[in-house]
Amino acid sequence: DAKTTQPTSMDCAEGRAANLPCNHSTISGNEYVYWYRQIHSQGPQYIIHGLKNNETNEMASLIITEDRKSSTLILPHATLRDTAVYYCIVRGDIIQGAQKLVFGQGTRLTINP
Amino acid sequence: DAGITQSPRHKVTETGTPVTLRCHQTENHRYMYWYRQDPGHGLRLIHYSYGVKDTDKGEVSDGYSVSRSKTEDFLLTLESATSSQTSVYFCAISVNPTSGNTIYFGEGSWLTVV
Repeated sequence: DAKTTQPTSMDCAEGRAANLPCNHSTISGNEYVYWYRQIHSQGPQYIIHGLKNNETNEMASLIITEDRKSSTLILPHATLRDTAVYYCIVRGDIIQGAQKLVFGQGTRLTINP
Repeated sequence: DAGITQSPRHKVTETGTPVTLRCHQTENHRYMYWYRQDPGHGLRLIHYSYGVKDTDKGEVSDGYSVSRSKTEDFLLTLESATSSQTSVYFCAISVNPTSGNTIYFGEGSWLTVV
């Protein structure tokens, strides 16, 4: 599996854009980048994923560099409810069609009022 | 939430007793997973299933067994619970596993072994 590197923690002001970086320099050509978040005492929540192109959905945008060695998750207008641990994951093994995600330690994002 | 229900949500049990956690899904997904989450270790895969009666081990499967006799239920059993199995257990399902796979998690089962 490609290894990912994320900052341990970040702060962002409420209402501003939160930009969370992730390095995945060993990513293979067919591996997707996934972002999940986990709010305290809840299950991980899927945010977005992408392969090569930038992606946007109702929660966030994902910007992947042209060489695919890094990506940035953007929360355009952060709210206090976005305070969570954010995980950047490169797709792990697929065995019998089952996806095995490997979670790192993630980035603890704190949104400040 | 992809129609995932875990039960029980909280349980305290004694060392040496058997415990079964249930994951129930309502949307007929083929792939189901059990993860555990511990401080300092993040989320780790215990077992997964790729169909009825088709299961395989993850990275931390020792001390755990699973069963999937029907599509909607994936059971995780601790045959003889130990204190090291005190953890939060998350069930998950995957959607569209052939491209841009997305995994959705349940809300977790908190297990304390005393």
